[in-house]
Amino acid sequence: EVQLVESGGALVQPGGSLRLSCVASGFTFSSYEMNWVRQAPGKGLEWISYITSSGGTIYYADSVKGRFTISRDNAKNSLYLQMNSLRAEDTAVYYCARMKSLWFGEFRYSWFDPWGQGTLVTVSS
Amino acid sequence: DIQMTQSPSSLSASVGDRVTITCRASQNISSYLNWYQQKPGKAPNLLIYAASSLQSGVPSRFSGSGSGTDFTLTISSLQPEDFATYYCQQSFSTPYSFGQGTKLEIK
Repeated sequence: EVQLVESGGALVQPGGSLRLSCVASGFTFSSYEMNWVRQAPGKGLEWISYITSSGGTIYYADSVKGRFTISRDNAKNSLYLQMNSLRAEDTAVYYCARMKSLWFGEFRYSWFDPWGQGTLVTVSS
Repeated sequence: DIQMTQSPSSLSASVGDRVTITCRASQNISSYLNWYQQKPGKAPNLLIYAASSLQSGVPSRFSGSGSGTDFTLTISSLQPEDFATYYCQQSFSTPYSFGQGTKLEIK
């Protein structure tokens, strides 16, 4: 069964740091691009970061650029999100999501599937 | 950045109804559009990818259409388990933006 399991969420004070982990199973982790998506309480989904299968290309949303760092360890089937300088507005459930892609002719379409169950990060004093 | 706008934001419907949710992109995204369903306390679940391709295991009452800037998700005959929040998402370019969501409620 294809599965993603996040961990590391916690209550942290503003300005603090936290490292989230996502462990993959049931598929060849090293072959897939991965993403982090978050959801503030009662709000919609916000994509925050992407990493290629090798880790060679990384993108961030402006809201986290310079504060968050995505990384992966393919030998451990693991994806990470290092979060520094945390703010109250970073409070959210954080999901890791595999990026699946398919070529239709000359076009490469991508989507998020599956998603992990999420881990809650609360930033509050 | 590409903005995704869904309408309506909420919708009340009855079991057996046909329902359509609309998603509009702020620029041409061809068919780089996906739809997800999310139930309370759960992770999102993929329904439709590449605008109109049904994900394996998703009931055939779900369908997607559109290209360019205007897209629709249609549920042909609502079932009790379909009451949830639905999100569109563009994969044309980063940041991979989502619509604000459409909450489908029981009438």
